[in-house]
Amino acid sequence: EDKVVQSPLSLVVHEGDTVTLNCSYEVTNFRSLLWYKQEKKAPTFLFMLTSSGIEKKSGRLSSILDKKELFSILNITATQTGDSAVYLCAVLRRDDKIIFGKGTRLHILP
Amino acid sequence: NAGVTQTPKFQVLKTGQSMTLQCAQDMNHNSMYWYRQDPGMGLRLIYYSASEGTTDKGEVPNGYNVSRLNKREFSLRLESAAPSQTSVYFCASSDRGTGELFFGEGSRLTVL
Repeated sequence: EDKVVQSPLSLVVHEGDTVTLNCSYEVTNFRSLLWYKQEKKAPTFLFMLTSSGIEKKSGRLSSILDKKELFSILNITATQTGDSAVYLCAVLRRDDKIIFGKGTRLHILP
Repeated sequence: NAGVTQTPKFQVLKTGQSMTLQCAQDMNHNSMYWYRQDPGMGLRLIYYSASEGTTDKGEVPNGYNVSRLNKREFSLRLESAAPSQTSVYFCASSDRGTGELFFGEGSRLTVL
């Protein structure tokens, strides 16, 4: 059975801190790992990672994939209150099935 | 730009009633998905369709049926609604293999 496990499930930090969110997976026919951000409504796409060891960056967010150890991390540096959201990790299989983890709820205190 | 449109946005049903959630996308995507979201549970895949004419079960298919009517439309049907199906439902589409899901605004369903 496919599994995507995120940790921590909840995190509270102060503005300016750096956070690291974790995602491990056990999935057959793995193609790529995905990160999404969800605020009040539907999730929005952040990153897709397919190759090990290659960091993807977008502003203060960055992510990397380790296909040998079956995990990924999402880093957010110099956090701002606008980063408060649920961050969802997902896996894309070769048959196009996309499975999500339960998410990490991040709250940034001013 | 419409993107992914799902209807209705809100629905209240009584136990045992049936209903269909409609979803349409105008981005010429091959893949379409139905998810449900409950507090603290992330998004759970109900059914997906990797291409027109095919549908496959996801993680929580029991109590649901789907139809991929054409490339644009993917509907989700509850034949006999149960309180456990109270949830927010999201339809999404993507280009095959890209991983970037485009979501509808969600449908909040309450089953009494």
